[in-house]
Amino acid sequence: DAGVIQSPRHEVTEMGQEVTLRCKPISGHNSLFWYRQTMMRGLELLIYFNNNVPIDDSGMPEDRFSAKMPNASFSTLKIQPSEPRDSAVYFCASRGRETQYFGPGTRLLVL
Amino acid sequence: AQKVTQAQTEISVVEKEDVTLDCVYETRDTTYYLFWYKQPPSGELVFLIRRNSFDEQNEISGRYSWNFQKSTSSFNFTITASQVVDSAVYFCALSGENAGNNRKLIWGLGTSLAVNP
Repeated sequence: DAGVIQSPRHEVTEMGQEVTLRCKPISGHNSLFWYRQTMMRGLELLIYFNNNVPIDDSGMPEDRFSAKMPNASFSTLKIQPSEPRDSAVYFCASRGRETQYFGPGTRLLVL
Repeated sequence: AQKVTQAQTEISVVEKEDVTLDCVYETRDTTYYLFWYKQPPSGELVFLIRRNSFDEQNEISGRYSWNFQKSTSSFNFTITASQVVDSAVYFCALSGENAGNNRKLIWGLGTSLAVNP
């Protein structure tokens, strides 16, 4: 079975542009998580979906960030407008059998 | 409150040495899960092991072994005969059954292991 798939793997954009990160969870997993990792703050949970419904978005930094999960096999994390401080690695994870499995991450650089 | 403490920020060893990474946790849940993840320099987060609170048996997988002790709230990870490929950041994490936290993972800050040739 394929693991969690994320795209793009790398994204370089300019401040003010919209950025959309994509995630395909492992088939059969009904929970999906978006994380951000930086050197300064480590690994932070941004938002968590269960059965496609957002359960906890308390980690979303501000209104510039939004996430959707229109169906069980797809989720997006959007940043609009992007800022240099959003530069980080963004991970998507899906959970099965009490375990979160992570995608390879999207390395985002906002200039 | 739930908390995971990895007191060792960085460890440096020479190849073939044994090394133990410490993890101490706090939780009021009676049912919970403990995890170890590895993050090599390439950046991905790799699941290594899950343990539930009712299973205190130690586990061995090749050169890796885990010691779970509820009495000391610890879940330590030992690498025997370390290799350069073991160089990575290792994270310990906790997930409880408390519905209030939606079973999110509570992460330690990680231990950076450098295995030198």
